[in-house]
Formats: sequence, C-alpha cells, structure tokens
Amino acid sequence: DIQMTQSPSSLSASVGDRVTITCRASQSISSYLNWYQQKPGKAPKLLIYTASTLQVGVPSRFSGSGSGTDFTLTISSLQPEDFATYYCQQSYNTLTFGPGTKVDVK
Amino acid sequence: QVTLKESGPVLVKPTETLTLTCTVSGFSLSNARMGVSWIRQPPGKALEWLAHIISNDGKSYRTSLKSRLTISKDTSKSQVVLIMTNMDPVDTATYYCARIMGGGDCYSGLCPYYSMDVWGKGTTVTVSS
Repeated sequence: DIQMTQSPSSLSASVGDRVTITCRASQSISSYLNWYQQKPGKAPKLLIYTASTLQVGVPSRFSGSGSGTDFTLTISSLQPEDFATYYCQQSYNTLTFGPGTKVDVK
Repeated sequence: QVTLKESGPVLVKPTETLTLTCTVSGFSLSNARMGVSWIRQPPGKALEWLAHIISNDGKSYRTSLKSRLTISKDTSKSQVVLIMTNMDPVDTATYYCARIMGGGDCYSGLCPYYSMDVWGKGTTVTVSS
C-alpha cells in the first residue's frame, strides 16, 4: 500500500501569513493527489484535486503543486476561516489519506 | 443538489456486525464517472479510507480491513451499503460516505484518478458492551 506522510503535523500561524504544508508519498503517484480541509465536527471539504486543480468555489489563495512523490499545499494569505486540519490523499492505487496537518492560531 | 446521508446504528457490541447505509441524491450510482466511498475517523484521529464502489460495480477495500468489509450498491434505491464484521472498540469512529468523482480518460467505469467531492455529514458509531 502507498503510505502518505505530511509535515508539519501542526503549525501555528497568524491571519495574513503564507502557509505551506508538505505531503510525501512512499512511491510515485504521478499527480493523483488531492487536498482536503476539515473543521472540527464537520465533514472534510475537497480543496484541490490532481495536485494543482482548484475545486469549484475554493478561494484562489489556496494552491497546490508537485508530482511524483512530493507535493505542497500553499495558503497565500491565511484567513480566519482557514484554521483547520488539512489532509492529502492519493488515488494512484486505491485511496490513502495522510495523517493531517493542523493549522491553529499563533 | 448532490447530497449523501449516512444511516445506521449508533451503538454496536463487540463482535457484532455493523451495517451502514449511504443514501444519495442529485446523481445516479450508474453514472460512469461516479461512485461512493466510505471513510471513517476515530475520535481525535485522522481520516481512514475504508472502501469504494464505482459505476461498473467495481469494488476496492482497505487492505488491513479487507476480510471484514463488504460494500454493495442498489442503484434503484440510490443506496450504498457497507458491512463491517466483528466490530471492536477500536472501530469506534465517525463514518462518512462521500461521492467519488473519476477524472481523466475513463473506460468501463474505471478512471485514472478519483477525488471525493461531496461528503455526507457522517454518523458516529460507538462499539461498546
């Protein structure tokens, strides 16, 4: 099975900060990488699919990049509603989520 | 409007079998690019994909739970059912169903990649005697 790791596991940031989260796959997954945002008590929300394609309705401050084994999610200017946990997920071979990165208030 | 709703027992006893139903609306389970996944999240922990079923009735399971899981669909009822046998307290979690959307060049319901674009609200299952 393909294993996913994320770093950092948590980070503290302020509104307006640029935030970058890294996701790594245990083998090449081409660009078959999705990013989700989850707020406490809520279902996850798809942000980005195929590594860099923004889901409809997602603000343009979110962006994704990468291919192969290394991927990043960037929030260009953190907004109050962006404090949440972010998960990457591969679909190259079945489906696997990363362990998550919690973004909280500094 | 696409919606998914999970239903099932709130409490199950250890060794019992859990049956969860996902009822969908706003799309058809026969749509070539679409299917349904089940995902769970133990309290305070990360998301775990469990299984999915796609339009051609193809099924895929989490390797570590494959012997305990069965997924099926009833297209006429717009329902997907997940059965998990031999429940244990470690299976206590919120269980979500989500629509999976296939992308790229799809053939016979198989697509090169999938994303989970619409989720249900989840249902909490506790395993305790």
